[in-house]
Amino acid sequence: QVQLQESGPGLVRPSGTLSLVCDVSKLSSTYYWVWIRQPPGKGLEWIGCIYQSGDTYYNPSLESRLMISVDRAKNLLSMQLNSVTAADTAVYFCTRRDSGAYGDWFDPWGQGTLVTVSS
Amino acid sequence: DIEMTQSPSSVSASVGDRVTITCQASQGISSWLAWYQQRPGKAPKLLIYGASNLHSGVPSRFSGSGSGTDFTLTISSLQPEDFATYYCQQAKSFPVTFGGGTKVEIK
Repeated sequence: QVQLQESGPGLVRPSGTLSLVCDVSKLSSTYYWVWIRQPPGKGLEWIGCIYQSGDTYYNPSLESRLMISVDRAKNLLSMQLNSVTAADTAVYFCTRRDSGAYGDWFDPWGQGTLVTVSS
Repeated sequence: DIEMTQSPSSVSASVGDRVTITCQASQGISSWLAWYQQRPGKAPKLLIYGASNLHSGVPSRFSGSGSGTDFTLTISSLQPEDFATYYCQQAKSFPVTFGGGTKVEIK
């Protein structure tokens, strides 16, 4: 079973860049790898994903500030979000998108990492 | 974007109760719907995919139904470990969207 673990700075200054990595025990090329976030006390927001080809799909609400990449040699999934504000404060999860005849779903998930945007 | 509306936003129930959560999509999504359980401080866990398919290892008291725009998650006999927040998710089109969540609380 693949395992995922996020890591990041914990605290980012407003207008700065939020950079996170997700250590994936087995970064298979046949899946999409996904970032999802959850502001404190709120619901889940899909950030974006990347496929083996390098194709990326971003949430339009974040697209102008976002970059997702994969380092297959190191089994690392990464994301960078620029020009952050307090609204970007959230727990950030990485996960794998699986798919079949009945649609797509996310499993498994990392444990999440809290990023706070504050001066 | 496809909007997912869950109801109720919270429900109080007792161990052994039958609990039903609904999820409505703003446009048809066929059976491209998944359900997740999230306990406080933990990552979401997949329960149901394809609207009605039980994920491996998930107890059979959980079931899902529906297609098109209206979906239901049912817990047939609530257990202490089921007190959590539940989310629906559509993957019919990008961006993927989630419902606002339903918190199942102890009565």
